Amino acid sequence: DGGITQSPKYLFRKEGQNVTLSCEQNLNHDAMYWYRQDPGQGLRLIYYSQIVNDFQKGDIAEGYSVSREKKESFPLTVTSAQKNPTAVYLCASTPLTGTGDYGYTFGSGTRLTVV
Amino acid sequence: AQSVAQPEDQVNVAEGNPLTVKCTYSVSGNPYLFWYVQYPNRGLQFLLKYITGDNLVKGSYGFEAEFNKSQTSFHLKKPSALVSDSALYFCAVRALNSGNTPLVFGKGTRLSVIA
Repeated sequence: DGGITQSPKYLFRKEGQNVTLSCEQNLNHDAMYWYRQDPGQGLRLIYYSQIVNDFQKGDIAEGYSVSREKKESFPLTVTSAQKNPTAVYLCASTPLTGTGDYGYTFGSGTRLTVV
Repeated sequence: AQSVAQPEDQVNVAEGNPLTVKCTYSVSGNPYLFWYVQYPNRGLQFLLKYITGDNLVKGSYGFEAEFNKSQTSFHLKKPSALVSDSALYFCAVRALNSGNTPLVFGKGTRLSVIA
């Protein structure tokens, strides 16, 4: 079945530590996105990529980094500069149509907790 | 700039009664509008979308939504609620022909259907 796989499902980070969240898709989608979900704040865009080796900052990119070396993969690193990283991180993808009439396919999320 | 407002954090409805989850939007020009549902510990699932044409859009699980351009609204409705409809609902918007710019999401509305 085609879809998006996020791993791990749960992740614990110590203070000062960098952690990387994995996002892999086998849908042959061009564009991939990372959103952060906090209770009562909805989904906020961190980074997105529409093509391999290119990505753009979203609304809350500070303290995060990404790479897009392969079409299928869009890992997110939460750096020690992100002071409040506890949240659910959602990865999504969509084909590039030019008209924008496609919605997203989402992964099931990674819940990150600072310990 | 695009934005979405979901004015109710929580909606409670008795099983068998009709339900409405409200969404208003702001976008330059015409919009593409989407509704997603999130069940506990899951990613977001697509429910329905408005692209063009008929203002009443039918989607998954018996849900429908009505696009009202004059009121800039896209309220989600279902004639008869089920306990299994209890979940978190998100409205999202993108401007027409904006390519694949990221969707902008509302803060979400938690629907609770009581037996």
